[in-house]
Amino acid sequence: DGGITQSPKYLFRKEGQNVTLSCEQNLNHDAMYWYRQDPGQGLRLIYYSQIVNDFQKGDIAEGYSVSREKKESFPLTVTSAQKNPTAFYLCASSIDWRDGETQYFGPGTRLLVL
Amino acid sequence: GQQLNQSPQSMFIQEGEDVSMNCTSSSIFNTWLWYKQDPGEGPVLLIALYKAGELTSNGRLTAQFGITRKDSFLNISASIPSDVGIYFCAGQLRGNTPLVFGKGTRLSVIA
Repeated sequence: DGGITQSPKYLFRKEGQNVTLSCEQNLNHDAMYWYRQDPGQGLRLIYYSQIVNDFQKGDIAEGYSVSREKKESFPLTVTSAQKNPTAFYLCASSIDWRDGETQYFGPGTRLLVL
Repeated sequence: GQQLNQSPQSMFIQEGEDVSMNCTSSSIFNTWLWYKQDPGEGPVLLIALYKAGELTSNGRLTAQFGITRKDSFLNISASIPSDVGIYFCAGQLRGNTPLVFGKGTRLSVIA
């Protein structure tokens, strides 16, 4: 059963702590993405990766870090430098980066800072 | 960065009514996509459009890629309660660029 999984569904963090959100896909997709969603803001791109061992900053990368050591995994770390981390985080993947390819989303992780 | 203007922001309709929403941009896009998001879930792809003027249907949903390549619309016919959710448009300017998302249209259906 192919798809994108994100864990956990809900995550609580104390201020000043780093936290890592998991994203795994078994679709054999080359490209993976992380988005942040706030109410009324739509989806904003944090980081994306076109291929293993490569990633690029999106529109709101400050306070976040990623790695892409394996094709199927693209974890996102929310660092203490992120001033307003409470949000819904969505991971997505696409077959590759060429023109017209469409993205498929995971179920999301809701991060709450206490 | 680039922005898509999606309207309306929210809609309240009676069950059985038709719905129309659209996205516009000042830039030309090569691809238009429409997604639906249920509460607390990730968006699900509804329709993908790749050519100017293209009209594509998926059940009760119909979407069109504007001829100017700067807009797209989504129609839902005979709405039902499970149509409730947030609908997002997304566009790709050209190959090798990230998708740009609209801010969404929140649809509520009154039975």
